[in-house]
Amino acid sequence: KAGVTQTPRYLIKTRGQQVTLSCSPISGHRSVSWYQQTPGQGLQFLFEYFSETQRNKGNFPGRFSGRQFSNSRSEMNVSTLELGDSALYLCASSPGKTYNEQFFGPGTRLTVL
Amino acid sequence: SQQGEEDPQALSIQEGENATMNCSYKTSINNLQWYRQNSGRGLVHLILIRSNEREKHSGRLRVTLDTSKKSSSLLITASRAADTASYFCATDTLTGANSKLTFGKGITLSVRP
Repeated sequence: KAGVTQTPRYLIKTRGQQVTLSCSPISGHRSVSWYQQTPGQGLQFLFEYFSETQRNKGNFPGRFSGRQFSNSRSEMNVSTLELGDSALYLCASSPGKTYNEQFFGPGTRLTVL
Repeated sequence: SQQGEEDPQALSIQEGENATMNCSYKTSINNLQWYRQNSGRGLVHLILIRSNEREKHSGRLRVTLDTSKKSSSLLITASRAADTASYFCATDTLTGANSKLTFGKGITLSVRP
C-alpha cells in the first residue's frame, strides 16, 4: 500500500495570504489527523476527521480549518497567514475510530515571510 | 504544560550503549505510544502499550508503563548510529465522547559511532 502523501512538500507565502494543504491517507483509512510542529511548541493537534466529519479539534484559532472528502482525502486551510504559522504541518491517517497506530506523511514545510 | 512530557530533553550516547527515555503524563489514558522522527520528516510509530499492560517488547525496544505513577519508559538496547532521531511519547486520552492523541515535545537522541 502506498503511504500517506502530502502536497505540496514546501511552501513559501507572505503574511495575509491563505494556503491550502492536501493529505491523501493510506487506502482504506478513514481517519485523518493534522498536526502543527514548531521548535517552540512541539507537535500540536489541529483537528481530526473521520468519515467526512470533524471528530476532534485542538486549540487553534478559526483561521485554521479543514475538511475531508468522501474518498478520505483531507485538506487544511489557513487564512490570513501570520509569521507564527511557519511550521511543519503533518498529516496522519489511521484505519478506524480509535487512536492506535497513526501513519504519518512526510509533512508540508510552510514558511511565512 | 503538555499531557505527555519526555525526559531528558536530549541524550547523547555511544554506539552499543542502551538509551532510556521517560515520559510522564497527567490524566488517565487508553494507551501510550512511542514515535520516532528523523530530521524534520514524518513520525514513525514504534510501539503501543495499553493501559492494562505493564511491559512490551519489539526487537531492541522495551516499553514499560506504570499507570500508578503515570509514567512510561522506552529502552533502546545496543543502540546504533541509525537510532539518532527525536523520540516522542503520545497518550491516547478520552475527551468527552472521543479520544484524543497528545504528543510530548520529544527527546533528541544522538548516538555517536
